[in-house]
Amino acid sequence: SVLLYQKPNRDICQSGTSLKIQCVADSQVVSMFWYQQFQEQSLMLMATANEGSEATYESGFTKDKFPISRPNLTFSTLTVNNARPGDSSIYFCSSRDRTGGRAETLYFGSGTRLTVL
Amino acid sequence: GEKVEQHESTLSVREGDSAVINCTYTDTASSYFPWYKQEAGKSLHFVIDIRSNVDRKQSQRLIVLLDKKAKRFSLHITATQPEDSAIYFCAASMHSNNRIFFGDGTQLVVKP
Repeated sequence: SVLLYQKPNRDICQSGTSLKIQCVADSQVVSMFWYQQFQEQSLMLMATANEGSEATYESGFTKDKFPISRPNLTFSTLTVNNARPGDSSIYFCSSRDRTGGRAETLYFGSGTRLTVL
Repeated sequence: GEKVEQHESTLSVREGDSAVINCTYTDTASSYFPWYKQEAGKSLHFVIDIRSNVDRKQSQRLIVLLDKKAKRFSLHITATQPEDSAIYFCAASMHSNNRIFFGDGTQLVVKP
């Protein structure tokens, strides 16, 4: 299995500001996925981040709004730029275990609850 | 990407009864279908999955059925217990190391 540590757990920010969310894995993982969840339902895949390359974004999410870095195999950050109240949601990082076993299983971080005022 | 639809947004059952959550997907290339559970205020964790080479899988009180022709799969929870109360998400993936797309979740309430 993979343990993913996210911080902060929650944050409140003003409209127009930026917020950075960090995700650290306890082992090396190939891909990290970022998800957005509104009101404890509707889990949307935002982007896939692989080490040393640009993140791949899903429809509706852009690099300018949600830049993602993946400097090594255990770390990723998601930034929310120019935050708006509509960005208020929970953000999860997730990854699969690259070391074998149940390689398909997706593991989730604890989530970051963002409130934009 | 793949689009997964979860048909029941809420489901209420009596303790001991069975609960069934139904999902459909759009992409015939999808071959891996996991289910996740999210308890109130917590993160998601894996409960069971099924691959397209089988049409049924059981793990204790959980049964997953897959109908590839209809692009439909379902989670059956038998002998439900209050601790089964949570949001359940179905998901689909084109192959085991690709992106996973989730349904909108089903809030399951098991009443004592």
